[in-house]
Order: sequence, then C-alpha cells, then structure tokens
Amino acid sequence: DQQVKQNSPSLSVQEGRISILNCDYTNSMFDYFLWYKKYPAEGPTFLISISSIKDKNEDGRFTVFLNKSAKHLSLHIVPSQPGDSAVYFCAARRSGAGSYQLTFGKGTKLSVIP
Amino acid sequence: NAGVTQTPKFRVLKTGQSMTLLCAQDMNHEYMYWYRQDPGMGLRLIHYSVGEGTTAKGEVPDGYNVSRLKKQNFLLGLESAAPSQTSVYFCATRQGSALGETQYFGPGTRLLVL
Repeated sequence: DQQVKQNSPSLSVQEGRISILNCDYTNSMFDYFLWYKKYPAEGPTFLISISSIKDKNEDGRFTVFLNKSAKHLSLHIVPSQPGDSAVYFCAARRSGAGSYQLTFGKGTKLSVIP
Repeated sequence: NAGVTQTPKFRVLKTGQSMTLLCAQDMNHEYMYWYRQDPGMGLRLIHYSVGEGTTAKGEVPDGYNVSRLKKQNFLLGLESAAPSQTSVYFCATRQGSALGETQYFGPGTRLLVL
C-alpha cells in the first residue's frame, strides 16, 4: 500500500515558467512533509519542508503548499531553471511512534527545457 | 567536514558472495538509515538506528544485517548476495528526535549482483 504517491513520473517545463510537482498521501497520521531533489549519481538533498500546522512554506524560488483536507501537497518552482532538472521526491513523517522514519514517494523527474 | 560518506562507491558481486557497505558521518547525528533505490520504486528503508548500539528493521530488511558499534558508523551487510539486491544504496543521518526532521544523504553505493 503506497502511502505517499507521486502520480506523475515525469514533467517537462520551459525555462522561466512555473513547475508544479504534486504529491498525495493517504495516512492521516503524517504531520511533516519534505521535498528532496536528486541529481543522477548523487544522493538526495533536502529542498524544503512543511509542518501540518501550516498550509504554505516559501524559500526563494521554491514554495510548498499543503492541503490537509485533500491530503495533497505541491511544490512550486518559479521561475524554473535548467539547473532544476532532477528527480524530486516527496517524503512524509508520521507523528508519534515511528516518527524517526520517512515514507518516500516514487519521485517525479523534472526536465527544464532552455 | 565531509558530512555523510559511503564506501565503496561501486561494487560487483557474484551471487552468494558477501560484502559490507560502510556509512560514516561527522555531524554527530543520532539517527542513521540505510535505503535502497530501485527504478520506479523511490527510496525504501532497509534498516535504521536511533543511537549507538541500536538497530531496527525498516520496510525491506530481508537479506540484510546492520550494526552500529560506533555513533559515527553504520554498516550494512549482505551475507549471501542475490541478483534482487542489485540496487543503489543510500545512507542517511538525522539529528535526535526533537532537534530536526531533515535527513542528510550520502552519495550512494551502486551494487551489481551477477
């Protein structure tokens, strides 16, 4: 049972436009969400996170939105740059016991076209 | 300050051979994790440790063993490698439970089992 779903395996966006990456979750016990970025042959790197008590968190060109009622979050990148081309993983942490674990989605490969 | 390092970077094994993957961190983080990444599968947790001398099973622990004899090192062992264990293995670390949610990843070990 996949608790964190990234339904789009890939996404292509023109340079300068907005990239929107989506993530859905099924476990209502998740209370903290993170986005990781991964380049080929490298480890994932932390990008941005959001607590379930918030609905938006912004860091420069990156904004994460959380809709708890819909169990949906999205990552917006504005403006998109060629260097943003990577695989993006959504991850969620469950509150209480097991809070040291993260559950990852399968990732979305973003290609930013110059 | 190297962060999280993994040894080796790449290895080819024959079925039935054994090996140990080493993860080392210099960030004094309490928690350490081993993940595997397979195409289309995202990151799946194999084993983790919440402190020196402790280990616990993750989502896909079968065929692997781990040890955390020193706080800075987390070893992942394959006693009898199988082709299904062909994967990219990532180590990650995290501060203690109340100190931060972000996991920091190493560069990965690519393992091919023939």
